[in-house]
Amino acid sequence: EVQLVQSGGGLVQPGGSLRLSCAASGFTFNTYWMSWVRQPPGKGLEWVANIKQDGSEQYFLDSVKGRFTLSRDNARNSFYLQVNSLRVEDTAVYYCARGRGPTYFHWGQGSLVTVSS
Amino acid sequence: QSVLTQAPSASATPGQRVTISCSGSSSNIGSNSVTWYQQLPGTAPKLLIYSSNLRPSGVPDRFSGSKSGTAASLAISGLQSEDEAVYYCAAWDDTLNIVFGGGTKLTVL
Repeated sequence: EVQLVQSGGGLVQPGGSLRLSCAASGFTFNTYWMSWVRQPPGKGLEWVANIKQDGSEQYFLDSVKGRFTLSRDNARNSFYLQVNSLRVEDTAVYYCARGRGPTYFHWGQGSLVTVSS
Repeated sequence: QSVLTQAPSASATPGQRVTISCSGSSSNIGSNSVTWYQQLPGTAPKLLIYSSNLRPSGVPDRFSGSKSGTAASLAISGLQSEDEAVYYCAAWDDTLNIVFGGGTKLTVL
């Protein structure tokens, strides 16, 4: 069974940082692109970033470029979203998802990131 | 404001057929396939339709998708109370990577 289990998230002040993690199981992790999608409270879905199987290609939403970074550890079947210089408008539930997008068969449970002073 | 445009709400009674629309442009729906998701409150989105009209295993055939030009539609026939959810369309955009619609909240009356 494919599982994506997320950790990280929490309350952070504007300008702060967090690392979100996504641990994968039930499939051959190093053969899939992986993605992050976020959802501000009460709003719609927004694609954030994705990373190629070997990490050699990464793409980001314009509004997070230079502030968010992606990495993956294929030996640990995990990938990560480092979120820096956080803004109030980054407040959202962040989901990890398997694939490059826009078709995601499998999603994580979500991690809430709240940016507030 | 979302790149793909969806009506914010729709409603229908049990047993009816309802259609949810998604409008885009030549750089997204016009040149790429469409994906549809269903999201129940407090849960992650669930894949309903991909490649514009294909259903993943386990999705009832009451759900169907279509695409014409720069617009796509999700149809739900034989509406059931458990179909009450928010539905999102998504597509690859040639200039912006992946884009979503704003979502349509479906109410089963």
